[in-house]
Amino acid sequence: QSVLTQPPSVSAAPGQKVTISCSGSSSNIGNNYVSWYQQVPGTAPKLLIYENNKGPSGIPDRFSGSKSGTSATLSISGLQTGDEADYYCGAWDSSLSSMLFGAGTKLTIL
Amino acid sequence: EVQLVESGGGLVQPGGSLRLSCAASGFTVSGYDIHWVRQATGKGLEWVSGIGRGGDKYYVDSVKGRFTVSREKATNSLYLQMNSLRADDTAVYFCARVNPGMSAFDIWGQGTVLTVSS
Repeated sequence: QSVLTQPPSVSAAPGQKVTISCSGSSSNIGNNYVSWYQQVPGTAPKLLIYENNKGPSGIPDRFSGSKSGTSATLSISGLQTGDEADYYCGAWDSSLSSMLFGAGTKLTIL
Repeated sequence: EVQLVESGGGLVQPGGSLRLSCAASGFTVSGYDIHWVRQATGKGLEWVSGIGRGGDKYYVDSVKGRFTVSREKATNSLYLQMNSLRADDTAVYFCARVNPGMSAFDIWGQGTVLTVSS
């Protein structure tokens, strides 16, 4: 059971926007950076967002992140069929001295 | 090119041992925190272990006392020695680098498959 809570699935049509939430606690999201990863089944995860809201070079600005208190949100605008994948949030937990991932959210493009 | 390549996966009987390797190129492993993350078939990502630049080591509770993470300068590689393997250790094992300027896993290997079964 993940300590970071994500919705199991979200869906939207091409061109629309979706948000994926990630809820934690003061020992993880509340006091540490959140990162987001995209994983197409059968491949390695790919970094999308780091330090809550920053995008690595090469990631389209359609992908954005935010954090408030003990929750974080990944937003994807202008959805494309290629965005269909699993999305994971991650944060270090200072109490557990462990990296935590959410259980993942499957994005379906309708 | 900066990359990580895992190897060493395979089929092991319950109670057996195996060592996974993660070879780095394009950077020096001793200069970065590098971690192991696993994923069982159809399941999400699970952090397993990590080693910091200073040599500090971290483990998820379920592998403490059974797994040991290490690194070697000569081979520029990270290792995961796994003992007393159980069926629930079956997964794809990825190694991933923490970019200190990002506080996130910026480079991932392609993964190596461990199957624990009799």
